[in-house]
Amino acid sequence: DTGVSQDPRHKITKRGQNVTFRCDPISEHNRLYWYRQTLGQGPEFLTYFQNEAQLEKSRLLSDRFSAERPKGSFSTLEIQRTEQGDSAMYLCASSLGQGMYEQYFGPGTRLTVT
Amino acid sequence: GIQVEQSPPDLILQEGANSTLRCNFSDSVNNLQWFHQNPWGQLINLFYIPSGTKQNGRLSATTVATERYSLLYISSSQTTDSGVYFCAVVGYGGSQGNLIFGKGTKLSVKP
Repeated sequence: DTGVSQDPRHKITKRGQNVTFRCDPISEHNRLYWYRQTLGQGPEFLTYFQNEAQLEKSRLLSDRFSAERPKGSFSTLEIQRTEQGDSAMYLCASSLGQGMYEQYFGPGTRLTVT
Repeated sequence: GIQVEQSPPDLILQEGANSTLRCNFSDSVNNLQWFHQNPWGQLINLFYIPSGTKQNGRLSATTVATERYSLLYISSSQTTDSGVYFCAVVGYGGSQGNLIFGKGTKLSVKP
């Protein structure tokens, strides 16, 4: 059984460019979460999907961020017009269900905006 | 929202020593997980432990849900145990189910 995978692992981009990250959850996991982690902090929740439906977004997710999960399988997170403050590790997690189910994390995508 | 506090923030050990990491949370939870973040940033699942005690090799964890804390024990530490340890919870009744993380304990094990 493969774990959660993310692509790319590293991304360096110039301010103002758009970037897109991909997450492939563990198969049969219907919950998929995106988190962001900045240096010295714990991960913070961005958004989550139940199958293909995006059910919640945190206030951290500005209008420049958009996420999709077509057909309830993989998910993409796009950041438009990147800013230096977007530099962070973006983590994806999946679980079988809500709340009481264990979440499993991917290796993350480290974004650097120059 | 629910608050998660971890202590100590930093811990330096000599190889072979034992340690205890603590996680306090401010409200009832229906999920509590301990993670080890390796130097490459990967979060490794250590324990899913909303209550009770579990052991896995040199690591064990105890959560006392009624008193709102969890402890992670590392025995006979090795240099490979170095990294950041995170406690994360899902508040009871949290509709999103997202984990709320503490700030972590940074562990350095010296040879």
